[in-house]
Amino acid sequence: EPEVTQTPSHQVTQMGQEVILRCVPISNHLYFYWYRQILGQKVEFLVSFYNNEISEKSEIFDDQFSVERPDGSNFTLKIRSTKLEDSAMYFCATLLAGGLDTQYFGPGTRLTVL
Amino acid sequence: GENVEQHPSTLSVQEGDSAVIKCTYSDSASNYFPWYKQELGKGPQLIIDIRSNVGEKKDQRIAVTLNKAAKHFSLHITETQPEDSAVYFCAASKGQGGKLIFGQGTELSVKP
Repeated sequence: EPEVTQTPSHQVTQMGQEVILRCVPISNHLYFYWYRQILGQKVEFLVSFYNNEISEKSEIFDDQFSVERPDGSNFTLKIRSTKLEDSAMYFCATLLAGGLDTQYFGPGTRLTVL
Repeated sequence: GENVEQHPSTLSVQEGDSAVIKCTYSDSASNYFPWYKQELGKGPQLIIDIRSNVGEKKDQRIAVTLNKAAKHFSLHITETQPEDSAVYFCAASKGQGGKLIFGQGTELSVKP
């Protein structure tokens, strides 16, 4: 069964450094999402991406964050200057479209900012 | 604003008993309601979903009910097994590729 994959599984970085989290969506899926989950809390929406542009973003997704699909396969989330409060699990999700609403989640990247 | 409330936050049952988790949503435009199971260190996995034109849906031991007028939906797990132990999240969406708004999660523990 096709799966969403994410790399790395764990990223440790120093405050102020840039990080890039990568996702490989399920083939033929057209909608892409990033969510985050701070330890012990609910999953929060960050951004959705469709047709090579952002379709919606949350208040969390400020100008320190960016997304792109550089090569038509990977979907990336970049945090330009990490803060301690960016420490969380980051999940990529993808959706096929065509009237279907099921989002499939990847295993996540645990980001630790020191 | 958009919000989903989920209760209880923890639930402990004996193996074989039923478990019920309840959610309430605030946005009346929501029309898609999935339930996800999250095991330790893994991403959320869809276990069942329901759309607003349906009142109930079953899949073996799992069922979901939706009361659109009251903006409530519930997950029912019958004949629980230890492997059902996990965190369960409800969510709501307006469909059409829209974002999921998650509840706070319920940690279900099934004791053998």
